Amino acid sequence: FMLTQPHSVSESPGKTVTISCTRSSGSIATNFVQWYQQRPGSSPTTVIYEDNQRPSGVPDRFSGFIDSSSNSASLTISGLEPEDEAEYYCQSYDSNNHVVFGGGTKLTVL
Amino acid sequence: QLQLQESGPGLVKPSETLSLTCTVSGDSVRSDNYYWGWIRQSPGKGLEWIGSIYYSGSTSYNPSLKSRVTISVDTSKNQFSLNLNSVTAADTAVFYCARVVVVSGNWFDPWGQGTLVTVSS
Repeated sequence: FMLTQPHSVSESPGKTVTISCTRSSGSIATNFVQWYQQRPGSSPTTVIYEDNQRPSGVPDRFSGFIDSSSNSASLTISGLEPEDEAEYYCQSYDSNNHVVFGGGTKLTVL
Repeated sequence: QLQLQESGPGLVKPSETLSLTCTVSGDSVRSDNYYWGWIRQSPGKGLEWIGSIYYSGSTSYNPSLKSRVTISVDTSKNQFSLNLNSVTAADTAVFYCARVVVVSGNWFDPWGQGTLVTVSS
């Protein structure tokens, strides 16, 4: 299966942005979805795991949702800050534990 | 604090084998709840999972790379390694190693800093 993300999104500081991740086949709800943030020149870090869980240290401005009706996951970032500008990747897996990443979404905080 | 560090040649010739090692500190590769994985990122591109390994030696590979990939683990050195054979320029990428949380879900945390491997003659 594939995970499809928008190539880019942009929003102003203080606003809220949502990044979608659509699964091409199989139910999005069957296997957990994770979200990673990658700033330029850095390794990815986890901002959401198991669909909607935040690792310690990740602000509650970050939230994850699953929408079975659209077979998609979404990452919502509220109260945007300049430091949120980064590439965001969704990730899931199949019944054979084969991992799939989305293509990434570049978030620009205007 | 768990840390992972990739090491290996930064330049590999076409048709040869790319070999990288990930050294784990702050945790044991023998941990029951974790696999250990490799991910790559071609310049300016997205993330691609290569494969993962359990300390017992059980592996899972990306079907698109499976014919060329071998991942192994050395518990005595607390390391795991990646071999990718018959490389071409398309294999040029930053290679990351990461711990794979499999108790619930299948996700990567933390990641190493990454190492750039260029395939060129």
